[in-house]
Amino acid sequence: DQQVKQNSPSLSVQEGRISILNCDYTNSMFDYFLWYKKYPAEGPTFLISISSIKDKNEDGRFTVFLNKSAKHLSLHIVPSQPGDSAVYFCAASDPGTYKYIFGTGTRLKVLA
Amino acid sequence: GAGVSQSPSNKVTEKGKDVELRCDPISGHTALYWYRQSLGQGLEFLIYFQGNSAPDKSGLPSDRFSAERTGGSVSTLTIQRTQQEDSAVYLCASSLGPGGQETQYFGPGTRLLVL
Repeated sequence: DQQVKQNSPSLSVQEGRISILNCDYTNSMFDYFLWYKKYPAEGPTFLISISSIKDKNEDGRFTVFLNKSAKHLSLHIVPSQPGDSAVYFCAASDPGTYKYIFGTGTRLKVLA
Repeated sequence: GAGVSQSPSNKVTEKGKDVELRCDPISGHTALYWYRQSLGQGLEFLIYFQGNSAPDKSGLPSDRFSAERTGGSVSTLTIQRTQQEDSAVYLCASSLGPGGQETQYFGPGTRLLVL
């Protein structure tokens, strides 16, 4: 059973508009969440993270929101740029083992 | 500074052969992780090292898979008697320490194709 889910395999957004990528998790013990961006033929690149003691973390055009009661997090990119086109993975840190549990990814395409 | 490096970047092998995948973590990072990504899947945890010891091997899919780390640095993932289902991208990551809130930094991966 997947503990971290990204239910949208793909998303297309017009350049300059907001991109919203969603992620749901099932384990209420998860205490740290991250978003990674992955270009083809490259490893995932760390984007932004959030601790469970916060509900929002912002870094430039990227903001992550955490709703613990709903076990949901989202990544907002505004304004979206063509260079943001990539696969985005959300991940949760397993508090017992330090490993990351990843979602299956959402492919974002930003249209010029 | 240098990031995580992996070699080879691509590997094609025949079913039944053994393969070795190498990871060089970021200098000074004590924690090292191996993941794999099969086609259309998310990243699947394989094994975690703290220093040279592996406190968590829970993700290794079978006894054909093994890994070691020497000198607290380089790690090698070995797959014996490869099968077609082993075809995937194998990713290595390292972090400064083992804490759950230590960000893991990934290498570019090794793309393994078993024919």
